Amino acid sequence: AQSVTQLDSQVPVFEEAPVELRCNYSSSVSVYLFWYVQYPNQGLQLLLKYLSGSTLVESINGFEAEFNKSQTSFHLRKPSVHISDTAEYFCAASPSGGYNKLIFGAGTRLAVHP
Amino acid sequence: NAGVTQTPKFQVLKTGQSMTLQCAQDMNHEYMSWYRQDPGMGLRLIHYSVGAGITDQGEVPNGYNVSRSTTEDFPLRLLSAAPSQTSVYFCASSRFPSYNSPLHFGNGTRLTVT
Repeated sequence: AQSVTQLDSQVPVFEEAPVELRCNYSSSVSVYLFWYVQYPNQGLQLLLKYLSGSTLVESINGFEAEFNKSQTSFHLRKPSVHISDTAEYFCAASPSGGYNKLIFGAGTRLAVHP
Repeated sequence: NAGVTQTPKFQVLKTGQSMTLQCAQDMNHEYMSWYRQDPGMGLRLIHYSVGAGITDQGEVPNGYNVSRSTTEDFPLRLLSAAPSQTSVYFCASSRFPSYNSPLHFGNGTRLTVT
C-alpha cells in the first residue's frame, strides 16, 4: 500500500533563515505529488504539485520542491522564510492522480520565530 | 464566490447521538469528498462523490453515511456518534476528480464526542 512519510512533525526556524520540510513516499508505480498548506483555522490550500516533466516545481510565494525518483522524496524548501509562513504543511501522493487515491502525510508544523 | 461552505464550525455530541455535517459548494464542482483530520495522522478520506447520485467509500467509511442528491450539497451523517469520531472534518470539492483541477477545501467542522 502506498504511504507518505513526513520526517519531521515540527520545524522551528528563525525569520529569514532557510527551511527544508522532508517528505518521502512509497510507490511501485508512477506517482503524482502535492504539497498543501494549512493556516490556523482554515482548510488546506494547494502549494505546488509535481505531475511530470521538470523535477523542480515552484510556488508563487517562494517555495520549491524537487522530485527525486531514486530517493522517492519530494522535499519542500524555501531559502528565506517569513513569519507569515507559519502553518502546517502536508505532503500528499496519488498513484493515478485521482483524488480518491490521494494519501496524505501526517503533516509538519512550521513555526517561524522573529 | 463562497467556495466550499461547511456548517457548523463546532459541535459537541454525546455518545449515541446522531447529526449531519453540512457541506455546500457554489462552483458547480462534480467531485466532492469528506476527510477527517486527526493529530499525527494527516487527512483520511471518508467518502467521496463524482456526481449527483454517485457516492463511494474512502479509507475510513465506517460509522458515516453520505448522499448526493444535488451537485451543490454533500452532507455527512453520523448515525450513532462515538468518542473515536472526535476529529476535525473537512469537505473538499473539485471540478474534476483528479489532479487536472485543484481541490478546494472548506474551513472545517470541529466535532467532539463525549
